[in-house]
Amino acid sequence: GQQVMQIPQYQHVQEGEDFTTYCNSSTTLSNIQWYKQRPGGHPVFLIQLVKSGEVKKQKRLTFQFGEAKKNSSLHITATQTTDVGTYFCAVNSGYSTLTFGKGTMLLVSP
Amino acid sequence: DGGITQSPKYLFRKEGQNVTLSCEQNLNHDAMYWYRQDPGQGLRLIYYSQIVNDFQKGDIAEGYSVSREKKESFPLTVTSAQKNPTAFYLCASSIGVVAYYNEQFFGPGTRLTVL
Repeated sequence: GQQVMQIPQYQHVQEGEDFTTYCNSSTTLSNIQWYKQRPGGHPVFLIQLVKSGEVKKQKRLTFQFGEAKKNSSLHITATQTTDVGTYFCAVNSGYSTLTFGKGTMLLVSP
Repeated sequence: DGGITQSPKYLFRKEGQNVTLSCEQNLNHDAMYWYRQDPGQGLRLIYYSQIVNDFQKGDIAEGYSVSREKKESFPLTVTSAQKNPTAFYLCASSIGVVAYYNEQFFGPGTRLTVL
């Protein structure tokens, strides 16, 4: 089935530093979704990217979909302690199902 | 308030016992999903259902069973055949059955510990 590699697995930054997580696939993707899970919480949908080269912004978060639709990134500018959590990408693995990456855990120190 | 509820939040069971995890949604969503989350493993799909009285196996269905008798309910039974049942179990739903178009909404999860 569809697989995605997410890197890094873990990142620890100082508050105010930038952060980026990457999601890579060996096959062309139809779309990609991003979710955030706070510690002790459940995943919450952030965004979906569909078009080649698409860039979407949500305040300090910038999401990109690669031109070849095989990779995607989530960039956070000037991290805050509220950004702490694990960020997952998810891709279609069938008509009704998603395959989730293993996630990138972000820790932000004040 | 619309949403997905899972109960209980924490569940302890003895080895060899079957246990049923509850998942209820009042979002009128068609599709429902069960995931298992282990540390560093992401979310792995156990079962999913697109319509009442129908469900399909996911990637790790062995040792689990489900039912979908009502649109709003999708309980998961962890049977004694599941070798490593201790995990965090997440239920999710989406408004439509096509993953391409639909985000998934997650419940708060049930943390199952088998002693």
